[in-house]
Order: sequence, then C-alpha cells, then structure tokens
Amino acid sequence: GNSVTQMEGPVTLSEEAFLTINCTYTATGYPSLFWYVQYPGEGLQLLLKATKADDKGSNKGFEATYRKETTSFHLEKGSVQVSDSAVYFCALSDRSTGNQFYFGTGTSLTVIP
Amino acid sequence: DGGITQSPKYLFRKEGQNVTLSCEQNLNHDAMYWYRQDPGQGLRLIYYSQIVNDFQKGDIAEGYSVSREKKESFPLTVTSAQKNPTAFYLCASSPGTPSGNQPQHFGDGTRLSIL
Repeated sequence: GNSVTQMEGPVTLSEEAFLTINCTYTATGYPSLFWYVQYPGEGLQLLLKATKADDKGSNKGFEATYRKETTSFHLEKGSVQVSDSAVYFCALSDRSTGNQFYFGTGTSLTVIP
Repeated sequence: DGGITQSPKYLFRKEGQNVTLSCEQNLNHDAMYWYRQDPGQGLRLIYYSQIVNDFQKGDIAEGYSVSREKKESFPLTVTSAQKNPTAFYLCASSPGTPSGNQPQHFGDGTRLSIL
C-alpha cells in the first residue's frame, strides 16, 4: 500500500540554522510527492512538489529532491527564520489509487531568535 | 481570488445533535475531500468526491455523511453517531486530473468542540 513516514518532532532550531526534515514513502505505483506547511489555526498550504524521480521542488528557500532509489523526499532549508515556525507535512499522490493523497503525521518546527 | 471557504471557523455540538460544516470552492475543481486532524495524528480522510452526485468513504467515514449536489459545494455532517467529534476539520479540492500530479488546495478549517 501507500504510506508516508516523517521524522518525529518537535524540532527546535536557532535562527539561520540548517533545516532537514526527513520523509520516506512507500507507493504501489509512481507517485507525485508534496510538502505542505500549516501555520497555527490555518489549513495546509502547498510548499513544493515533485512529480518524477530526480525532480527537485523548491520554494521560499525550501528544497526537496525526489529520490526513487531511497524512496525519500527530504525537506531542506539552508537558513531558517522565525517565520518558518509551523508544522510541515510530507504527502504523496498515487494515480494507481485514484489520486488519493497520503499524508505523513507532520513535523512541528520552532525557530527561536 | 479563487479558493476554498470553510464555515464556521468554530463550531460547538451538544450531545445528540447533528452539525453541518460548510465547504465551498470557486476553483472549478472536480474533486473535493474532507479530512479530520487530531493532534499528532496527521490528516485522516473522511469522505471524498470526484464528481457531482458521487462520493466515496475514506478511512474514517463512520458517524459522518456528505452530499455533492453542486460542483462547488461539499458539506460534511457530523452525526450524533460520531462519539468523539472534537477535532479540526479540513476541506480540500483538486482538479481531479488522472495524472495524479496536481496538489490539493485546502480551506482554513473548522474546529469542532463538544459542549
């Protein structure tokens, strides 16, 4: 079946530190991969996506590369800011299962000044 | 601006009462979804609909019902059979293309609590 596993949080970093949030997946077909961000009391916002192996998604300084050989889609940012404090969700969409989305459990990030 | 509107933002339910959460989208998307979010558990799919007048159960449909009479609307009813309804409910939509590479777009959620 399809599933997404994220590193557990919470993660606390100092401003300007390097961020990595690990995400691995299991899929029956050829999934597309996504990272979403959720700020307190709000819905999820798409952060970036990658639709095939070796694609790199990027947005607002965040990057993630679709690694088929390691079934991973780790989120990285070179220098985090206080405003990046949020919960981050990794997700996959698999055409073979009717385009349903499968979400990880989320990783809470707090950036301190 | 196009988007998804969920209302109300906060909702309270008394025992034995059914409540309905509204979800409206003006993105012209075919597919719509309802998720339940509990702390530390991520998102769980309640129901989804890929076309008007059709919907399917997700992983946790018991105690919930939906309708899809119009493309832009997908209301969720939390019935009295749902014994633990306190949660954050998120509605989402997507174009519903067969390629599977289109993201879902989310509303800002409704927080439901028991009185």
